[in-house]
Amino acid sequence: DVKVTQSSRYLVKRTGEKVFLECVQDMDHENMFWYRQDPGLGLRLIYFSYDVKMKEKGDIPEGYSVSREKKERFSLILESASTNQTSMYLCASSFLRYNEQFFGPGTRLTVL
Amino acid sequence: DAKTTQPNSMESNEEEPVHLPCNHSTISGTDYIHWYRQLPSQGPEYVIHGLTSNVNNRMASLAIAEDRKSSTLILHRATLRDAAVYYCILRTGANNLFFGTGTRLTVIP
Repeated sequence: DVKVTQSSRYLVKRTGEKVFLECVQDMDHENMFWYRQDPGLGLRLIYFSYDVKMKEKGDIPEGYSVSREKKERFSLILESASTNQTSMYLCASSFLRYNEQFFGPGTRLTVL
Repeated sequence: DAKTTQPNSMESNEEEPVHLPCNHSTISGTDYIHWYRQLPSQGPEYVIHGLTSNVNNRMASLAIAEDRKSSTLILHRATLRDAAVYYCILRTGANNLFFGTGTRLTVIP
């Protein structure tokens, strides 16, 4: 079975902390994505990566960075967490850019 | 990104068919119509997609209007496990998926 896992289901951090959200896929997919989901706003794309060490900005990259050192792992980094980054974060992967995306279970991040 | 319009919510009785509508009047000739759903406390999952012709798979059917300005996702026999938010998305080639706010489907036992 296809699997995308995320390091934590729930995370609580303080304002100003550096936060790492990890995502691992076991499908040998080229493409990986990070979204955030907020009530009334749907899912919004933060960053995506189409190959190791490659990344592109999505619709809302401000305040975030990403790292993809290995094909199966895509990390989202909040350099200095702020309260407006409290959200559900979803990771996804796909074989090709236009193929179906497979999502992880999400990480609910609260920044106090 | 071309936009879609869906009702905020719908209800269905268990074991009855459900027709989830989606309007996409600004669709272009190269836009594929994708449907995803998100069950409570889970990430979205792919349901089905199509371009012009109607499509069927083990989860659902997709009926696309002749002018492609609207489509309907059909669940042939709703179960309680089909209660979810359903997203209708237009996608051109390798462009990114744009998730709106979707339709929340409630299945009544």
